Formats: sequence, structure tokens, C-alpha cells
Amino acid sequence: NAGVTQTPKFQVLKTGQSMTLQCAQDMNHEYMSWYRQDPGMGLRLIHYSVGAGITDQGEVPNGYNVSRSTTEDFPLRLLSAAPSQTSVYFCASIIGPMGNGYTFGSGTRLTVV
Amino acid sequence: ILNVEQSPQSLHVQEGDSTNFTCSFPSSNFYALHWYRWETAKSPEALFVMTLNGDEKKKGRISATLNTKEGYSYLYIKGSQPEDSATYLCALMGNDYKLSFGAGTTVTVRA
Repeated sequence: NAGVTQTPKFQVLKTGQSMTLQCAQDMNHEYMSWYRQDPGMGLRLIHYSVGAGITDQGEVPNGYNVSRSTTEDFPLRLLSAAPSQTSVYFCASIIGPMGNGYTFGSGTRLTVV
Repeated sequence: ILNVEQSPQSLHVQEGDSTNFTCSFPSSNFYALHWYRWETAKSPEALFVMTLNGDEKKKGRISATLNTKEGYSYLYIKGSQPEDSATYLCALMGNDYKLSFGAGTTVTVRA
């Protein structure tokens, strides 16, 4: 198993540009989440999904969209990038609420200039 | 989003010494409590998931307990080693299955 695969690892965007952060898992996990990590803020939940076709907002959803058309993929879309979205983004998955903890991807470091 | 507090924010421990730190939460109305270890330049890795009051979990020299009635969980490291240096994250999975993280406790083990 590859686990949770995130692409790209690094990205620089100009203000106003859009892009999609990709996340895929091959463990047949039902639950998937996106977090952002900022200095002094810890991990904050952006969006999450409990299964294909089901998504919900987390703590900081503004400026981001998600979709879950398959169990494996959970892309995060930045609609119009802003400098405030400069952060490290992590995708994570878990088989279900009784799973043995989330498996995290390696992260995407995004800089918006 | 559940409020999760971790203390202390950081600590230094001598190699061979044992240490512990706290995760506290205001309500027992949650689905599960998670602990993760996060080493620099890596991704968080799951240590434990606990659900019941009185739960105790152990992995090698690291163990954790859960007290839902008084709203805290302790993580213990016995005989700290340099490889234990990391940030330890506590997180609560609410009944809506959202996982909310605390800010973490950063442990530095001095040789």
C-alpha cells in the first residue's frame, strides 16, 4: 500500500490563481480530511468526508472547495488564492470512527505571493 | 469543533528520565481521543486511540490513560531517548466524526 499520497509537495501561486491539491489513498478508508498547519496554530480542519459523495466543513473552510466522487480521492481546490492561504496542507484518512488513528500524507507546502 | 488543551507547550527531559504531559477537554461528549507523534519534517503518526473512561494503551515505552469524567488524558514516556524528541498531539473525534487537534507538547530529550 502506498498509504496517503499528496501532490504536489511544493507550490508557489500568485494571488488570485486557482489550483487543486491532490490526495489519494489506497487503503479503502471511508473518512478523509484536509488540515492546514500554521505556526502556533496547530492543525486546523478545513473540510472532511465520511464517504464518497459526502463532504462537510471543518473549522476553516472559507476559500476552499472539496469533492469526494470516489472512495480513493479527495482533492482540495483553492478558488482564488490569497496570501492568508500560505500554509502546509495535510491530507489524512482513517478506515472509520473506530480506526486506529488517521494516516497522514506527506504534506504540501503552499506559498501564495 | 471541540476545544482541546495541551500542557505544557514544551518540555526538556534528560535522556533516561521519564516524563508525562496532559491533554484536557471540557466535555465527555466525544467519540474518541487520539494521540499522535509528529517528528520534525515528517507527518503525524498515530500512537493511540481511546474511547472509554479508564482506557490505558501502551506502545513500547510510551503509554496513555484516559479519564473522561474529569476531562483529561495523560501521555507517559518512560526512560526517554533522543528518538522520543517530537511534538505529541492530542485530538478529539466528536460525535460528528470531526477530529479537532490541540496545539501539541514539544518534547526535547537531551543526551
